[in-house]
Amino acid sequence: QQQVKQSPQSLIVQKGGISIINCAYENTAFDYFPWYQQFPGKGPALLIAIRPDVSEKKEGRFTISFNKSAKQFSLHIMDSQPGDSATYFCAVYTSGTYKYIFGTGTRLKVLA
Amino acid sequence: KAGVTQTPRYLIKTRGQQVTLSCSPISGHRSVSWYQQTPGQGLQFLFEYFSETQRNKGNFPGRFSGRQFSNSRSEMNVSTLELGDSALYLCASSLGLAGRSYNEQFFGPGTRLTVL
Repeated sequence: QQQVKQSPQSLIVQKGGISIINCAYENTAFDYFPWYQQFPGKGPALLIAIRPDVSEKKEGRFTISFNKSAKQFSLHIMDSQPGDSATYFCAVYTSGTYKYIFGTGTRLKVLA
Repeated sequence: KAGVTQTPRYLIKTRGQQVTLSCSPISGHRSVSWYQQTPGQGLQFLFEYFSETQRNKGNFPGRFSGRQFSNSRSEMNVSTLELGDSALYLCASSLGLAGRSYNEQFFGPGTRLTVL
């Protein structure tokens, strides 16, 4: 089965710092690359997403950087806040299969 | 607009029993996907339904099955429960339209299944 490799597994950042989470994928046929944020007891919520024809997308403090040739994309959280403490999942989507494949998640803790 | 709802939120079953989980998608969404979430494996895709038809399925044994009704509500059934089936089961809905490069997906809160 196609894999999405996400790293690191866990991350501790000081308040105001930059959090960086990386994902690598194996197939070039994916059409959509979202990041989800999940708080304990809740379902994942779409945070930000990018399409492969764009190299970077920024929404507030959250930025996706996309490297098509390296088959990698990353989430950058600027000015990290304690409220950002959550588990983050990257995913890839193929329009022809209607299927999302998720990374294994990164547990982020932002220290006050 | 109401979000994705899942019932029940918590379930405790014993090995060998079967269980049915329910998901009501966002109004207007015709695609429902099911995922199993465990601490070590992340979110694993179970299957996706659109207009009462299964369009894709993941690599799970036949004990895991699903269906979708004409109002887009979906149910997932797990028969002959095993200890390893303990997990959070998430449902997600989307428009699921063909010909689009992506279909934004919205998750419900999940059903926490514990198998004893």
